[in-house]
Amino acid sequence: DADVTQTPRNRITKTGKRIMLECSQTKGHDRMYWYRQDPGLGLQLIYYSFDVKDINKGEISDGYSVSRQAQAKFSLSLESAIPNQTALYFCATSDPTGIGDTQYFGPGTRLTVL
Amino acid sequence: QQQVKQSPQSLIVQKRGISIINCAYENTAFDYFPWYQQFPGKGPALLIAIRPDVSEKKEGRFTISFNKSAKQFSLHIMDSQPGDSATYFCAAAYSNDYKLSFGAGTTVTVRA
Repeated sequence: DADVTQTPRNRITKTGKRIMLECSQTKGHDRMYWYRQDPGLGLQLIYYSFDVKDINKGEISDGYSVSRQAQAKFSLSLESAIPNQTALYFCATSDPTGIGDTQYFGPGTRLTVL
Repeated sequence: QQQVKQSPQSLIVQKRGISIINCAYENTAFDYFPWYQQFPGKGPALLIAIRPDVSEKKEGRFTISFNKSAKQFSLHIMDSQPGDSATYFCAAAYSNDYKLSFGAGTTVTVRA
């Protein structure tokens, strides 16, 4: 079974709709992240959480919100979706060591807002 | 504003050739520089990482070269294979939080 899972894998929605993307992990990591990937822009950090009680905005948090329901679960919400939020969304987890920090990514959710 | 600039956007290399991807950063406080590899339909995965106290790190056919004074680092893929065809992202972070700033990505195509 995959260590980091994302649901749904694909979603088409309409402008103005509320949508939630979910992420679950079995790695036991405290840190979780949400990224957005657009062609030519790489990965941009939306929100991150270093433990269950910690939520921080990333580079592009406007129009998004998150909820950390448990160590293993981190959800991303678009309260009122707009077409320029059409993108590939990734969840990731990590557990830094003294050497470095490997982020483990989920398979991604492709979101289309019409 | 992208804190890490990556080039080229894409490259095509023949099998057994050398692929070179370059990245530059401005913030001298960055002290952790990983490269991630992403295959189509998959999430990125850590390939190799370096800290600024060394100038080169090699893992198999993949080598990171690091130039602290120029604030540049690069990924060399030696003896490129069709299975190396993927998108490669450089990134930079401070080791006090390891929050990554990614480059825009380079799509590498290895022709058989």
